[in-house]
Amino acid sequence: QQQVKQSPQSLIVQKGGISIINCAYENTAFDYFPWYQQFPGKGPALLIAIRPDVSEKKEGRFTISFNKSAKQFSLHIMDSQPGDSATYFCAASINDYKLSFGAGTTVTVRA
Amino acid sequence: NAGVMQNPRHLVRRRGQEARLRCSPMKGHSHVYWYRQLPEEGLKFMVYLQKENIIDESGMPKERFSAEFPKEGPSILRIQQVVRGDSAAYFCASSPYSRGDEQYFGPGTRLTVT
Repeated sequence: QQQVKQSPQSLIVQKGGISIINCAYENTAFDYFPWYQQFPGKGPALLIAIRPDVSEKKEGRFTISFNKSAKQFSLHIMDSQPGDSATYFCAASINDYKLSFGAGTTVTVRA
Repeated sequence: NAGVMQNPRHLVRRRGQEARLRCSPMKGHSHVYWYRQLPEEGLKFMVYLQKENIIDESGMPKERFSAEFPKEGPSILRIQQVVRGDSAAYFCASSPYSRGDEQYFGPGTRLTVT
């Protein structure tokens, strides 16, 4: 069974808009929550990550919001650009190395 | 500083043949992880290796699949007697720490079984 559920499956946003991707998990033992960006034909690249002792982390235009009580976390891409068009995966792990990935969200940014 | 290298990038095998996938970690990284990605799905953990040791193979199918990371040379993921269901993208990642919280992925090997 999938331990991390990701939504939506795909989204289209206009250039300059905000992209929001949500993930939910069941296992309260998870203690590391990274987001990966993947372009077609490439491997996933680590984008940003958070641990459950903070509720938000921001790096440039990318922000993770984390809600421990709801067991949810989300990625916000501010001022979306065409170069952000990619597939985004959330993930979670207990001991850091065994990442459980969501199914992915394909983001398309229209110019 | 070269990233994680995987070869071949594309591999076509007939049912019943063997597939060998290679992964060279980033320089200075001694921890290697293999993941499998089926179409329209996220990556699934297969195995975690350090030099000459398998640390965690809980995601590996019990039969036909094996992995190694020898003292010298790349890590190898070996699939014997491939079946159509093995068709997928196989990704290798490496990290400098046993924590694994900085996993750098290679470009993947896309295996097609005909």
